[in-house]
Amino acid sequence: KNEVEQSPQNLTAQEGEFITINCSYSVGISALHWLQQHPGGGIVSLFMLSSGKKKHGRLIATINIQEKHSSLHITASHPRDSAVYICAVLQLISNFGNEKLTFGTGTRLTIIP
Amino acid sequence: NAGVTQTPKFRVLKTGQSMTLLCAQDMNHEYMYWYRQDPGMGLRLIHYSVGEGTTAKGEVPDGYNVSRLKKQNFLLGLESAAPSQTSVYFCASSYGTGDGYTFGSGTRLTVV
Repeated sequence: KNEVEQSPQNLTAQEGEFITINCSYSVGISALHWLQQHPGGGIVSLFMLSSGKKKHGRLIATINIQEKHSSLHITASHPRDSAVYICAVLQLISNFGNEKLTFGTGTRLTIIP
Repeated sequence: NAGVTQTPKFRVLKTGQSMTLLCAQDMNHEYMYWYRQDPGMGLRLIHYSVGEGTTAKGEVPDGYNVSRLKKQNFLLGLESAAPSQTSVYFCASSYGTGDGYTFGSGTRLTVV
């Protein structure tokens, strides 16, 4: 079983819909990252959070440390939001250069006009 | 613009050839990383560096070597390329533990 699981793997929605992407993890973490990878491949960091909730424009990320779960929400989705969204967890491990980032396999989001 | 620059963006190698991928960052970050991304798998760490002159192995280091002679540059070398090294390679950097990461745009490598 992967340490980081994302769901769904693929998501297609109509423009304007509210989008939720989920991330569950099975290890103790110090922080969780949400990343965006556009067609063409570049990866952009969206959020890094260790508790609660963060908001940036139409994007909202939440984390529940006790339940080992995080969600990424997109309000009023737009075709330009089409991308792969990747969850990654940061573990502090003393014999691994102090930290290790473990990635989920991503959720491919397609927003149809 | 500040960020992480990877060169080249694309490369095709024959089995047994060697090459070096260059990663350069202008943010004065201490930590630099090389990852590979394969279909159906999350990014996996190849090698990383916590400062100039230091390198360490990640999850999948076999067949690769790295060097960090200058703080801003992190080089990934393939001495004898194999088809199993066909992948998309990403470089990333950060100030340190627990900080946000900045990724390069990736290098798509095909070994035939």
